[in-house]
Amino acid sequence: EIVLTQSPATLSLSPGERATLSCRASQSVGNYLAWYQQKPGQGPRLLIYDASNRATGIPARFSGSGSGTDFTLTISSLEPEDFAVYYCQQRTNWMYTFGQGTKLEIK
Amino acid sequence: EVQLVESGGGLVQPGRSLRLSCTTSGFTFGDYAMSWVRLAPGKGLEWVGFVRTKSYGGTTEYAASVKDRFTISRDDSKSIAYLQMNGLKTEDTALYYCTLVLNIVGTSSSFFQHWGRGTLVTVSS
Repeated sequence: EIVLTQSPATLSLSPGERATLSCRASQSVGNYLAWYQQKPGQGPRLLIYDASNRATGIPARFSGSGSGTDFTLTISSLEPEDFAVYYCQQRTNWMYTFGQGTKLEIK
Repeated sequence: EVQLVESGGGLVQPGRSLRLSCTTSGFTFGDYAMSWVRLAPGKGLEWVGFVRTKSYGGTTEYAASVKDRFTISRDDSKSIAYLQMNGLKTEDTALYYCTLVLNIVGTSSSFFQHWGRGTLVTVSS
């Protein structure tokens, strides 16, 4: 099973700042990595798929990069609605795994 | 608009069974694999399993933690996916989400394009 490790566990920033979230895989997943945002009381929302493709309706301030084992989600300038928990996800051999999540909180 | 609505959650004793439903609309249900993902208290997201489309045999895959206890099925005529949970354990307590799986043809790309709001399952005596 491929393990995804996200860092940091918690990120404290202010609106307008840049956020950089990391996801590291225990072995290569190519570029087949997705990112999701989850807010309290809501189901997760797909942000990025295939490492760098924004999903429909996702603002341009969200971007993804990386390949192989190291991936990054960047939010260029934080809006108040961006404070949430973020998860990365991969699938290999019909088994899906998620990272443990990064909580992005208001400083 | 794609909608996924989970139902059937509740309080159940250890060892008992429960069936969750995912009622969908806004897309051609039979064209997509459907999956269940759960969120336990204080934990992160955990994939539970998925069911392929009928064109791929409607076969299923499961996480090791639920294999042989949980069964996912689909009724394309009703656009509903099901999660049958048997032999429930306290560690199965979680919010259960239904998701629409998007597999990009010709690649290994597979991810959860749409999610419901979830239904809460509490396993406790």
